[in-house]
Amino acid sequence: IAGITQAPTSQILAAGRRMTLRCTQDMRHNAMYWYRQDLGLGLRLIHYSNTAGTTGKGEVPDGYSVSRANTDDFPLTLASAVPSQTSVYFCASSDSGGGGQDTQYFGPGTRLTVL
Amino acid sequence: GQNIDQPTEMTATEGAIVQINCTYQTSGFNGLFWYQQHAGEAPTFLSYNVLDGLEEKGRFSSFLSRSKGYSYLLLKELQMKDSASYLCAVRDSNYQLIWGAGTKLIIKP
Repeated sequence: IAGITQAPTSQILAAGRRMTLRCTQDMRHNAMYWYRQDLGLGLRLIHYSNTAGTTGKGEVPDGYSVSRANTDDFPLTLASAVPSQTSVYFCASSDSGGGGQDTQYFGPGTRLTVL
Repeated sequence: GQNIDQPTEMTATEGAIVQINCTYQTSGFNGLFWYQQHAGEAPTFLSYNVLDGLEEKGRFSSFLSRSKGYSYLLLKELQMKDSASYLCAVRDSNYQLIWGAGTKLIIKP
């Protein structure tokens, strides 16, 4: 069982380019999340999806878009990358996205550098 | 605004006990999580508290006081592999996790 996989592991990108970060989970979790992690700051939620076909905005959604066509995949797209989007991006999933403990499980992360 | 406070860095000795504190101010409360994150790796789940009191899980314990907006993670019999960052997160009224910046724990022999 792989859990959550992310691709690529790392990427250097020129400003203005379009980039899609991929996330796939095999746990049949309903909810998925995208976070960014920057030095000295807590994880910040970019977008989330409580179930296939629905998405929502998190704390820092500007410049990012997501889609949730099926249960397993939750890609994050940067339409036109800017240097402030340099960060480590984590995808996570949880069983329900609602009540109860609903622990979030994280993928290995994508380290993105925008020059 | 919502806020989670943790010490930035702590140092402890192998075999000792360390307590990492977390205070929070959030819009609503639906549980508190502790995660461990080794450098360059993903956060991994350690513990969950939703009611006041102590939850014990092997060498790790987590305490919660909702009235004080306070939690701590207690690590006993420290091992070198416990060197990592420890993240505190609170689930708010919208069922979103609000994360602290993490506490980097350095273990010395």
